[in-house]
Amino acid sequence: DAGITQSPRHKVTETGTPVTLRCHQTENHRYMYWYRQDPGHGLRLIHYSYGVKDTDKGEVSDGYSVSRSKTEDFLLTLESATSSQTSVYFCAISSDRGLSGSNQPQHFGDGTRLSIL
Amino acid sequence: AQKITQTQPGMFVQEKEAVTLDCTYDTSDQSYGLFWYKQPSSGEMIFLIYQGSYDEQNATEGRYSLNFQKARKSANLVISASQLGDSAMYFCAMREGMDSSYKLIFGSGTRLLVRP
Repeated sequence: DAGITQSPRHKVTETGTPVTLRCHQTENHRYMYWYRQDPGHGLRLIHYSYGVKDTDKGEVSDGYSVSRSKTEDFLLTLESATSSQTSVYFCAISSDRGLSGSNQPQHFGDGTRLSIL
Repeated sequence: AQKITQTQPGMFVQEKEAVTLDCTYDTSDQSYGLFWYKQPSSGEMIFLIYQGSYDEQNATEGRYSLNFQKARKSANLVISASQLGDSAMYFCAMREGMDSSYKLIFGSGTRLLVRP
């Protein structure tokens, strides 16, 4: 299994509070991603990183920020949590090795269940 | 427009029978990749199989195979000899070749229930 650890695994917090989710990898992969999963929507990309301090927005980035100060860590922050951000959050990693890199699958962490009351 | 469409929200299959989960995609790229993931009730995402747009053979991995019809833009997952442990959500995803970020676009998933 890919070495990906998400923390915390579960969190309940109140509207308006800041929340930070952590993704830690031991694979030394270049690419890291944050997704949210909601019923009927599959997984939607929030932000991704293609290297230390190199990040970009995904499909549903409003209300979220990210940071990557080390290869192994990718942080997702909700500056002021809202009830619409209640979701399951997945971190994923991907290598760019291989013939073109495009055939490398993303490997996922176990997810963080976040509830905002 | 949706880039990945999975039209079957839920499906049943009898144990030991084969089942096909549908996936159609939309891209103007010539180079792209298609992935299938399994999500059991425990919640983790498990990579199953990959098909590249230039691959001439349909991908196979054990009991999983991919029925890739490029002209129809479909990449259906076939599970042979279904087992009770195959009951899960299944997601089809695409990586567009010109995007060097290796991002994936996911479909909304199909829930498969295997009956004993």
